[in-house]
Amino acid sequence: EAGVVQSPRYKIIEKKQPVAFWCNPISGHNTLYWYLQNLGQGPELLIRYENEEAVDDSQLPKDRFSAERLKGVDSTLKIQPAELGDSAVYLCASSPLGVTDTQYFGPGTRLTVL
Amino acid sequence: AQSVTQPDIHITVSEGASLELRCNYSYGATPYLFWYVQSPGQGLQLLLKYFSGDTLVQGIKGFEAEFKRSQSSFNLRKPSVHWSDAAEYFCAVGATTNAGKSTFGDGTTLTVKP
Repeated sequence: EAGVVQSPRYKIIEKKQPVAFWCNPISGHNTLYWYLQNLGQGPELLIRYENEEAVDDSQLPKDRFSAERLKGVDSTLKIQPAELGDSAVYLCASSPLGVTDTQYFGPGTRLTVL
Repeated sequence: AQSVTQPDIHITVSEGASLELRCNYSYGATPYLFWYVQSPGQGLQLLLKYFSGDTLVQGIKGFEAEFKRSQSSFNLRKPSVHWSDAAEYFCAVGATTNAGKSTFGDGTTLTVKP
């Protein structure tokens, strides 16, 4: 069984540029999460989807961050414009519907903003 | 609100030696506790979780953890460390069994000496 796939694995951009991250969850997993992991810290939830619906986006900075999960499968997280402080690892995770006590994480996208 | 403290930023042990990683949590009611491992270039993987019952929890890869309510701790242990255990370890606490609503600690990096 393939795990959670994320791309790109690394991204370097200049500040004020837009950037997008893509996540493909494990097949059949209805719940999808995006996390932010700053250097030396644990992950922090940005947004959680149940199928196409964002059920928890309270920690998503909506002035510059947006996310979508069309058709309830793949998801894209976008930052526009990026700031220096956005340099971090962006993790995607998924879970089967109704199974909330276990998450399966992807390898993450490491973003560097210059 | 819940919070987690992992007092040791970095621990070094010799291969074959025993290991204990500390985790202290703050939460007023019954906590739901998780330990994850993050190997370089890989996503987080759930090692074990505690929700109720026996306070000594067995996990994957030979790890175990003990919940001590009186000390607000959930320390991770392994009797004999292997070189492949070198990674970063995260403790997380939540108010429910929903892993997506848990709060992560800042992690402990484990180095294994040959």
